Amino acid sequence: GAVVSQHPSRVICKSGTSVKIECRSLDFQATTMFWYRQFPKQSLMLMATSNEGSKATYEQGVEKDKFLINHASLTLSTLTVTSAHPEDSSFYICSAPGQGWDTQYFGPGTRLTVL
Amino acid sequence: GESVGLHLPTLSVQEGDNSIINCAYSNSASDYFIWYKQESGKGPQFIIDIRSNMDKRQGQRVTVLLNKTVKHLSLQIAATQPGDSAVYFCAENISGKAAGNKLTFGGGTRVLVKP
Repeated sequence: GAVVSQHPSRVICKSGTSVKIECRSLDFQATTMFWYRQFPKQSLMLMATSNEGSKATYEQGVEKDKFLINHASLTLSTLTVTSAHPEDSSFYICSAPGQGWDTQYFGPGTRLTVL
Repeated sequence: GESVGLHLPTLSVQEGDNSIINCAYSNSASDYFIWYKQESGKGPQFIIDIRSNMDKRQGQRVTVLLNKTVKHLSLQIAATQPGDSAVYFCAENISGKAAGNKLTFGGGTRVLVKP
């Protein structure tokens, strides 16, 4: 099956710094990828849709200037959390749609802890 | 932001018994539904899916039932095993690229399998 990877798997940073998270589709191309955030004991909440070669589209309430998304190639999308604060600590997960555009393949997630 | 005190509903089941996990979905236009399994610290893993033109679909040890009249979805796991312990999420989607393939996740249910 299709594989999506994320890097890093865990990151700890100081408040005010920026953190970049990579999402890669390993054996297929993805013109679209999705970024989710998951707080403890909660469900996944869609943050934004990453579009290769164009701007990302953000869900209501998600600050585009804080969560920068770049989809520079057909296999890589990056999410940069700028000026991170403790409330940004969360589990960030990306996904990419399969060939039929219904199924989504999820990455293993990145645990961000902001001190 | 994070909701303090939020707890996932938990289903405790004896090893070998059958499990039933329920989910109410919200959008009557959704025509594709998926169940995901998420183990601690990992991304969601696809279990089984069903389209709105069906009311039942079976996989290996799992069955999904769809009742469109009341917008209800259930996942049945036969002969539950310790490895089935995880959080289970339902997700709904309007299929096809034109709809953007955005998944909306339900709140999740934690399944604990007792030996």
